[in-house]
Amino acid sequence: KQEVTQIPAALSVPEGENLVLNCSFTDSAIYNLQWFRQDPGKGLTSLLLIQSSQREQTSGRLNASLDKSSGRSTLYIAASQPGDSATYLCAVKGSNYQLIWGAGTKLIIKP
Amino acid sequence: KAGVTQTPRYLIKTRGQQVTLSCSPISGHRSVSWYQQTPGQGLQFLFEYFSETQRNKGNFPGRFSGRQFSNSRSEMNVSTLELGDSALYLCASSLGEGARDEQYFGPGTRLTVT
Repeated sequence: KQEVTQIPAALSVPEGENLVLNCSFTDSAIYNLQWFRQDPGKGLTSLLLIQSSQREQTSGRLNASLDKSSGRSTLYIAASQPGDSATYLCAVKGSNYQLIWGAGTKLIIKP
Repeated sequence: KAGVTQTPRYLIKTRGQQVTLSCSPISGHRSVSWYQQTPGQGLQFLFEYFSETQRNKGNFPGRFSGRQFSNSRSEMNVSTLELGDSALYLCASSLGEGARDEQYFGPGTRLTVT
């Protein structure tokens, strides 16, 4: 059974720092991995989608990597800003096409 | 392109009642998936509909059901509401291409059961 873990559960850093969020999964047989952002009480915004054949994806200040063999993905945020404060979730799509979710990392960027 | 829309945004119901939530996908998307999000269990997959047929189902009791119409709009119904059904219900739409699909989420419906 696929399990997705996100560490740390919460992170607080000063504005301007570069930071890394981690996502690990137990079954490497995935089709893709997606990173989302969720603001309090709101829906999910897709940030990056990495297909199983890809190693990384970039969008602006965000870079996500995928290492299927070790069951790990990282989301790198460069030059963090207060507007980046949110909960970041990763989800993997497995052989049954369902998304399996991590519990999220709550990120606070201090001005 | 308009995004995924969900109605209503907020609902308060009493135990034992039933509720219907609606989701309108992005134009051209044929797949709609539903998720439940609670503080204790996180995000959990309910079901997916594609071309008016349920294609995938999570591990929820039969009180949770759904359907999809010919225009790809989807509804989710919960009967005999329980306090534990209080949650944010999210729907996501996608092209329905299976493995390579990217899902786009609506703002959610916040259901409170009293």
